[in-house]
Amino acid sequence: EAGVTQFPSHSVIEKGQTVTLRCDPISGHDNLYWYRRVMGKEIKFLLHFVKESKQDESGMPNNRFLAERTGGTYSTLKVQPAELEDSGVYFCASSPSSGRAWSEQFFGPGTRLTVL
Amino acid sequence: QKEVEQNSGPLSVPEGAIASLNCTYSDRGSQSFFWYRQYSGKSPELIMFIYSNGDKEDGRFTAQLNKASQYVSLLIRDSQPSDSATYLCAVRFGTGGFKTIFGAGTRLFVKA
Repeated sequence: EAGVTQFPSHSVIEKGQTVTLRCDPISGHDNLYWYRRVMGKEIKFLLHFVKESKQDESGMPNNRFLAERTGGTYSTLKVQPAELEDSGVYFCASSPSSGRAWSEQFFGPGTRLTVL
Repeated sequence: QKEVEQNSGPLSVPEGAIASLNCTYSDRGSQSFFWYRQYSGKSPELIMFIYSNGDKEDGRFTAQLNKASQYVSLLIRDSQPSDSATYLCAVRFGTGGFKTIFGAGTRLFVKA
């Protein structure tokens, strides 16, 4: 079974540009999460999708960040325009809708974003 | 005050010893508690979860939870060099939600 995949693995952009990160969850997982780790800080929750609906987006830092999950499969996280403080590693995670849903979130390898 | 606090370390233990990792959390409404292991440049991997007071054992790992003290710990018995990683404590607040709050992690080095 394929795990959570993320693309790209690394992105370097200039301040003011737009970047779109993609996450493909484990097949059949209704729950999808975005997290971010800024250098030297803890991993911070951004938002949670249940299928295509945003269940909790309390961690989104500001309106420069837009997450979508059309069709309830893969998700994208767009940053527009990017600022220097957006640099970090963006993790996506997914979990099933029943059983151990509350107990385990499977993390993807992350996208390292560098804003120059 | 941070919501989930961990000693950043590094914690260094000799091979075969017990490594003890600690975590405190601020919200008494916290319901479930997790320990993740993260190797450098890799994604977090769940080791254990616990939601009741007391101890939970899984192989060489034991998670301990004390809700009255708002304290959760992870013991690693017979530590191996391959256990060297950053260990993340994570907490979920309330019921029904999946938002997970992470600590900054403790770096563990197991010396051969």
